[in-house]
Amino acid sequence: EAGVVQSPRYKIIEKKQPVAFWCNPISGHNTLYWYLQNLGQGPELLIRYENEEAVDDSQLPKDRFSAERLKGVDSTLKIQPAELGDSAVYLCASRSNSNEQFFGPGTRLTVL
Amino acid sequence: GESVGLHLPTLSVQEGDNSIINCAYSNSASDYFIWYKQESGKGPQFIIDIRSNMDKRQGQRVTVLLNKTVKHLSLQIAATQPGDSAVYFCAEGLRDDKIIFGKGTRLHILP
Repeated sequence: EAGVVQSPRYKIIEKKQPVAFWCNPISGHNTLYWYLQNLGQGPELLIRYENEEAVDDSQLPKDRFSAERLKGVDSTLKIQPAELGDSAVYLCASRSNSNEQFFGPGTRLTVL
Repeated sequence: GESVGLHLPTLSVQEGDNSIINCAYSNSASDYFIWYKQESGKGPQFIIDIRSNMDKRQGQRVTVLLNKTVKHLSLQIAATQPGDSAVYFCAEGLRDDKIIFGKGTRLHILP
């Protein structure tokens, strides 16, 4: 069974540029999460989807971040415009009915 | 602020010895607790979880202990192997399905 797929794996952009990350969860997983992970820190939740509905986006900086999960499968996370402080690893995870979240490898974003 | 944290940022253990990674939490309303392992360049990987009404749970070479009196969680790894080198995160699961991660402990395996 394929795991959570994320692309790109690495992205380097200049500040004020837009950037988008893509996630394909494990087939059949209705719950999808986007996390931000700074170096040496644990992941921090940005947004959680149940199918196509965002059920928790309280930690998403909505002035520059947006996300969508059309058709309740793949999801994209966008930052526009990116700031220096957005440099981090962006993790996607999915879950079925158990407590276990399956994480993708992440996208490492560097903003110059 | 964070409600889950770890006592030590780095732990060095001799290969073959047992490892004990500790975690303190502050949220009494947590429904369950989880340990994750994260290797370099990879996302966190689920190791084991424990419900808040339990005090011990065992998996393959791992044991999680929960002491609700002092709000303490530990992960014990038996016969530590080189492949156990990673950063270990404890996390608490809340009733609204939100998971809050701690800062992580890096486990070094000494030859």
